[in-house]
Amino acid sequence: SYEVTQPPSVSVSPGQTASITCSGDKLGGKYAFWYQQKPGQSPVLVIYQDRKRPSGIPERFSGSNSGNTATLTISGTQTIDEADYYCQAWDSSTVVFGGGTKLTVL
Amino acid sequence: EVQLVESGGGLVQPGGSLRLSCAASGFTFSDYYMNWVRQAPGKGLEWVSHISSSSSTIYYADSVKGRFTISRDNAKNSLYLQMNSLRAEDTAVYYCAREYVDALTYYYGMDVWGQGTTVTVSS
Repeated sequence: SYEVTQPPSVSVSPGQTASITCSGDKLGGKYAFWYQQKPGQSPVLVIYQDRKRPSGIPERFSGSNSGNTATLTISGTQTIDEADYYCQAWDSSTVVFGGGTKLTVL
Repeated sequence: EVQLVESGGGLVQPGGSLRLSCAASGFTFSDYYMNWVRQAPGKGLEWVSHISSSSSTIYYADSVKGRFTISRDNAKNSLYLQMNSLRAEDTAVYYCAREYVDALTYYYGMDVWGQGTTVTVSS
């Protein structure tokens, strides 16, 4: 079965750029989606179809996807961005989530 | 206001059954595909099942295939998940989430999620 892999944790200083990767076989040939989840809250879609931002998502969130890796980039990271981030892709008739990355802003 | 509200969770013994519901409001429910996604305590997101807007296409994760059944009633703006033969590993918060899919079958991501309903499988 298809799998996508994320680093368990990423740390960034406020104001710096955070990059969270998601790796999977030929992932660049699929669309990648990214979700943010804060403790006790439901997930929020922050990037869809590799690089598009839903309405209401700040411009500091961006995405890319090529080869075997999709990347979520947060520019000018703020403390409010501290959360778990999950990548997601469709493979055939299955939705696949990555294991999640805990972003710490300190 | 666009909203999804899950209900039906609770404590059930191993081997038992539960039926989850998800009530949609604030949007045209029949225009959207729907998903169930669960999250075990302290764990990541796990996709459970997906149903197209007309119920013509249904998918399940291998972990629930043959035990869970997804369905929807567009007239009632409601999504359901019938869960049978429950196991301890099914213990999780269950979310329903909508997903727009266009005519070319391009997916737009799960853009609205409910608050979740908790299922605990334990004796």
